[in-house]
Amino acid sequence: QQQVKQSPQSLIVQKGGISIINCAYENTAFDYFPWYQQFPGKGPALLIAIRPDVSEKKEGRFTISFNKSAKQFSLHIMDSQPGDSATYFCAAGYSSASKIIFGSGTRLSIRP
Amino acid sequence: NAGVTQTPKFRILKIGQSMTLQCTQDMNHNYMYWYRQDPGMGLKLIYYSVGAGITDKGEVPNGYNVSRSTTEDFPLRLELAAPSQTSVYFCASSSPDPPRVNTEAFFGQGTRLTVV
Repeated sequence: QQQVKQSPQSLIVQKGGISIINCAYENTAFDYFPWYQQFPGKGPALLIAIRPDVSEKKEGRFTISFNKSAKQFSLHIMDSQPGDSATYFCAAGYSSASKIIFGSGTRLSIRP
Repeated sequence: NAGVTQTPKFRILKIGQSMTLQCTQDMNHNYMYWYRQDPGMGLKLIYYSVGAGITDKGEVPNGYNVSRSTTEDFPLRLELAAPSQTSVYFCASSSPDPPRVNTEAFFGQGTRLTVV
């Protein structure tokens, strides 16, 4: 079964610290890896995405690190802020298809 | 633009009742999806559609049906509600741009359904 495993389930980080969320996938044919951010009562929204031809992608304080050989990728949030408190989902999919598989989510809380 | 609009926002159903969750998008997206979100379980794909008149099963289709008669609308039907269908349901749409077929999915705000 195609799976994307995400950890930790919940994370508490002090304001200004680095938040790190990890994901692992099984299917080496996956070639699209997005991260979604979800605030309470809202639908998920795309935060950042990477394709396996690069090992890192940075957008502002958010960075995806991608390790193709280990089949792992992670989200790093630098200088974490209380406004970053949300649930984060990693996902994986194929460029040649429309479906993506979501991880189980990480509830991130940033303490002021 | 309204984006993806779902109705209703909340609903309580009794076991065995049926209902339709409505979803409409105004972005002229070809691809539309229905997900359910259970606590600690992430988002599971129920059904998806790549265009009007075309639908396909996702990971957890049992107990649900869909139709796609127009580009804008993608309703989800529950025929015989069961407690296991208590969940938050999200509709989403995307506009794949070849050769990168997978692009951003835009989600609605969700429908919280409780079956008692």
